[in-house]
Amino acid sequence: DAGVTQSPTHLIKTRGQQVTLRCSPKSGHDTVSWYQQALGQGPQFIFQYYEEEERQRGNFPDRFSGHQFPNYSSELNVNALLLGDSALYLCASSRRDRGTEAFFGQGTRLTVV
Amino acid sequence: AQSVAQPEDQVNVAEGNPLTVKCTYSVSGNPYLFWYVQYPNRGLQFLLKYITGDNLVKGSYGFEAEFNKSQTSFHLKKPSALVSDSALYFCAVRDWAGKLIFGQGTELSVKP
Repeated sequence: DAGVTQSPTHLIKTRGQQVTLRCSPKSGHDTVSWYQQALGQGPQFIFQYYEEEERQRGNFPDRFSGHQFPNYSSELNVNALLLGDSALYLCASSRRDRGTEAFFGQGTRLTVV
Repeated sequence: AQSVAQPEDQVNVAEGNPLTVKCTYSVSGNPYLFWYVQYPNRGLQFLLKYITGDNLVKGSYGFEAEFNKSQTSFHLKKPSALVSDSALYFCAVRDWAGKLIFGQGTELSVKP
């Protein structure tokens, strides 16, 4: 079992550009969540996908959007990048059952210059 | 609103000594609590969880946590610290829809 895999691992973009990050969940998991972790802070929830729909959203602007595919994999898209979007983006997968733990990928380090 | 607090930014422990990383929570209803560990430039690794049952929860790598409802705390403990335990530790609570709400993290430093 490969666990949760994210790509790419590192990315450098220019202000105003758009970026797409990808995530493949752990086998058997149907729910994918995305988190943003700024340097020195705890992860902040962006949104969650289940059955190909956004189910819950954190306090992030509409520039942040996502998608979940029938195979449960997911994408995070960020438009009109700002310097403040520089962070580690973490994907977490889980089963819908609230009592199960989420497993995290290694993250994508996004740097906006 | 649900929240988690980790009152210590850093904890320093000598190798072989017991360690405690503190966490307090504020939730409505029964809490679903988790501890994760993060090594430099890596994702989060699950350590343990409290859903219901015994107040002392055992997890990975010899870690355990004590759930205390009256003090709304969920402290992470290990009887004997290793240098390799040095990392960033996060406490989290899971809401009804599955969102994890994290504390700010505690950096654990174990010195030989």
